[in-house]
Amino acid sequence: DIQMTQSPSSLSASVGDRVTITCRASQSISTFLHWYQQKPGRVPDLLIFAASTLQSGVPSRFSGTGSGTDFTLTISSLQPEDFATYYCQQTYNTPLSTFGQGTKLEIK
Amino acid sequence: EVQLVESGGGVVRPGGSLRLSCAASGITFEDYGMSWVRQAPGKGLEWVSGINWNGGSTGYVDSVKGRFTISRDNAKNSLYLQMNSLRAEDTALYYCVRENEGIAPGVFDLWGQGTMVTVSS
Repeated sequence: DIQMTQSPSSLSASVGDRVTITCRASQSISTFLHWYQQKPGRVPDLLIFAASTLQSGVPSRFSGTGSGTDFTLTISSLQPEDFATYYCQQTYNTPLSTFGQGTKLEIK
Repeated sequence: EVQLVESGGGVVRPGGSLRLSCAASGITFEDYGMSWVRQAPGKGLEWVSGINWNGGSTGYVDSVKGRFTISRDNAKNSLYLQMNSLRAEDTALYYCVRENEGIAPGVFDLWGQGTMVTVSS
């Protein structure tokens, strides 16, 4: 099975900061990598699919890069509404899938 | 209205069984693969099981193989998860999730609100 290692597990940052979250796959998954945002008490929302394509309606301050085994999610200038938990997900061999452990982004 | 509504959760003793159901509405159910994703209290997301559009292909996370069975009935627009030999570590909120290949293979673009499963003696 493909394992996903996400880091850091938590991150403190301030409004306006640039932050980067990384996700590493245990084997190459091409660009079958997606990012979700989850706020407390809510279901996850899709932010980025296929490693770098922004889902409709997602602000352009979010971006994703990577292919193979190493991927990043970057928020260029944090806004108050961005404080949430972020998950990566691989879908290289559907119907199998795996999520990363999550990164909780907190206000400094 | 486009929605997924889960049911069937509850409190069960270790070793017991539950059957979760997910009713889809507002979508052409047979067009989509579906999955179950769970989230233990205060923990992260864990993909549990997935099934393709016609039920011909299924998958499970290692920790539930041999204990859980996913199935679907396209005529009833419904997804199921039969859970046997339940353990304390299966305690979680279970989400029914739609996979939208039109966006990207395996991407989850529609989530139900979840049904809580608690395994406790």
